[in-house]
This record gives sequence, C-alpha cells and structure tokens, in this order.
Amino acid sequence: AQSVSQHNHHVILSEAASLELGCNYSYGGTVNLFWYVQYPGQHLQLLLKYFSGDPLVKGIKGFEAEFIKSKFSFNLRKPSVQWSDTAEYFCAVNPLRGNKLTFGGGTRVLVKP
Amino acid sequence: DTGVSQDPRHKITKRGQNVTFRCDPISEHNRLYWYRQTLGQGPEFLTYFQNEAQLEKSRLLSDRFSAERPKGSFSTLEIQRTEQGDSAMYLCASSSEGVPGYTFGSGTRLTVV
Repeated sequence: AQSVSQHNHHVILSEAASLELGCNYSYGGTVNLFWYVQYPGQHLQLLLKYFSGDPLVKGIKGFEAEFIKSKFSFNLRKPSVQWSDTAEYFCAVNPLRGNKLTFGGGTRVLVKP
Repeated sequence: DTGVSQDPRHKITKRGQNVTFRCDPISEHNRLYWYRQTLGQGPEFLTYFQNEAQLEKSRLLSDRFSAERPKGSFSTLEIQRTEQGDSAMYLCASSSEGVPGYTFGSGTRLTVV
C-alpha cells in the first residue's frame, strides 16, 4: 500500500518569503501526484497535479511542484508568498491504475503580514 | 460552489445515536468517494463507488458504518451507534473514470457528545 509523508507539520513565514513544502511517497509503481490546499473554513481544492511529462508542474496562484522520481518526492514551491496563502496543504498520490488517493498528514502554513 | 454538495454541514449527536449524511456528486462523475478527516490529519479513505457498485472499503469502515449509492447518483453514509471516536469531518469527493483527481465537497462535521 502506498503512503505519503509531509516533512513539516507547521510552517510560519513572512509575506514575500519563499515557501517549499516537502512530500515523499512510498510506492513501487507509477503514480499520479497532487497537491491540495484547504483555506480556513473552506473545502479541499486542487492546487496542481502531475501525471506524466515535464516533472516541473505549475498550478494555480503561482505554485509549482517538482517530481523527482529517484527521490520519490513531489515538493511544492512558491517564490513569494502572500498573507492569503495561509492554509493547510496536502500532498496526495494514487497509483496510475488505482482509484484511491492517499494523503499526507498536511502542513499548516501561516503567512504573517 | 464546488459542485459536490454535502448535507448537513454540521451534525451534533449523542453517543449511541445513528446519523446519516448525504453527498450529491458532480452529475457527470461516475465515481464517488468517502473520506474521514480528523484534526491535524490528512483525509483517510473510507470507501469508493463506481456508479452504484461499492468497489472498495477501508478497514477503517467498521460494521457500524454503511454507505450506499442506490442509483449511481447521490450517496449516503450512515453511522450506527455513534461513538466519540467517530467525531470527525466526513468528506465526499467525485471524479470521472479515467480522469485522475477528485473534486471535494465541503464536508459534514460530526460531533459526538
């Protein structure tokens, strides 16, 4: 069974700082990878996804993520955060031929104005 | 409006009572998923339907839990004889076969007192 680990439970940073959130998964086969975001009081929303091709994927709101197959990683980045990026971020994976998304434990990001 | 509707948004119940939640997926999505999320954790898979067929159930889904999707459209999740440990956010998501990634609803927050 696949598993996903997110390295940081909480991150606090100031506006304009750069953000990088780590995500590692364990699964021997080909996977689809996702980052979801949950803003305070809102539902989970898809930030970006990787299926195949260019390992650097761009998502909404200036976020990007890089898939490094050899490291089983899919780290999320944003060069300059805003206060509105305060949210919880979840990495998720499902096997290429599977149906079930497995989520990491999430990282709470607080951006101070 | 996410397109996936869940009702109710909040439910407070006494221990031992039965509760039922409803999920209306995006109409053209044939797959429907239930997840549970507790504070500080990522969503955990409970069960999954393709059309009206329940194709997978997690070991988290004890015999007190039952889910149905009678006509392949909306789904219900029932918890019998609720326990305090059932307190959580119950999330519904839907997707189309062959298209990875889900659309989540806003969830039903259950509090068992």
